Amino acid sequence: EADIYQTPRYLVIGTGKKITLECSQTMGHDKMYWYQQDPGMELHLIHYSYGVNSTEKGDLSSESTVSRIRTEHFPLTLESARPSHTSQYLCASSEDRTGGSEQYFGPGTRLTVT
Amino acid sequence: AQTVTQSQPEMSVQEAETVTLSCTYDTSESNYYLFWYKQPPSRQMILVIRQEAYKQQNATENRFSVNFQKAAKSFSLKISDSQLGDTAMYFCAFMKPLGSARQLTFGSGTQLTVLP
Repeated sequence: EADIYQTPRYLVIGTGKKITLECSQTMGHDKMYWYQQDPGMELHLIHYSYGVNSTEKGDLSSESTVSRIRTEHFPLTLESARPSHTSQYLCASSEDRTGGSEQYFGPGTRLTVT
Repeated sequence: AQTVTQSQPEMSVQEAETVTLSCTYDTSESNYYLFWYKQPPSRQMILVIRQEAYKQQNATENRFSVNFQKAAKSFSLKISDSQLGDTAMYFCAFMKPLGSARQLTFGSGTQLTVLP
């Protein structure tokens, strides 16, 4: 199992609440990613970071925001959750090589917004 | 932009048999990486096998092998001697080597069920 952790694993919250999904890795990887996995199981990149203080939006537009203050920590925040945010969120990391590096995935957070 | 297509949403195979999962992709790049990832039920996604586009030889990892056809932009995964633990969602993915983020573009996945 990879050393990448996500909390909480499951979260049910009401509309309008602010939430933060936590992601931490102990492998010292520079690159970290957030994917949204819809009920049809397809994965879409929503945010990525290639190091401390760097964050970029991914291919899928998302109302969430991320921060990267420490190498090991890459939290995702939703300021005001809506039912359309219901999904599974996967965090991943990889080491900084010239290319083709494996991405290591966390166990995911399954978010339900009621 | 790259696209990855997995045309088989679901497949099943008998234990000990061989199964092949299909993947095609579209890119204008000449150098890139292709991956197969596996997501077992309620468990973390893990790498199954990786192929570098500039290598002619097909990658092999134990019971898993690929058939990489660069001209046809095809990258299929063959699982030999299927085991019950192979039951999972399998994702084909594409990565450009250039750029700082090394992003993956995933296909829509194939749910494989190994039957006893």
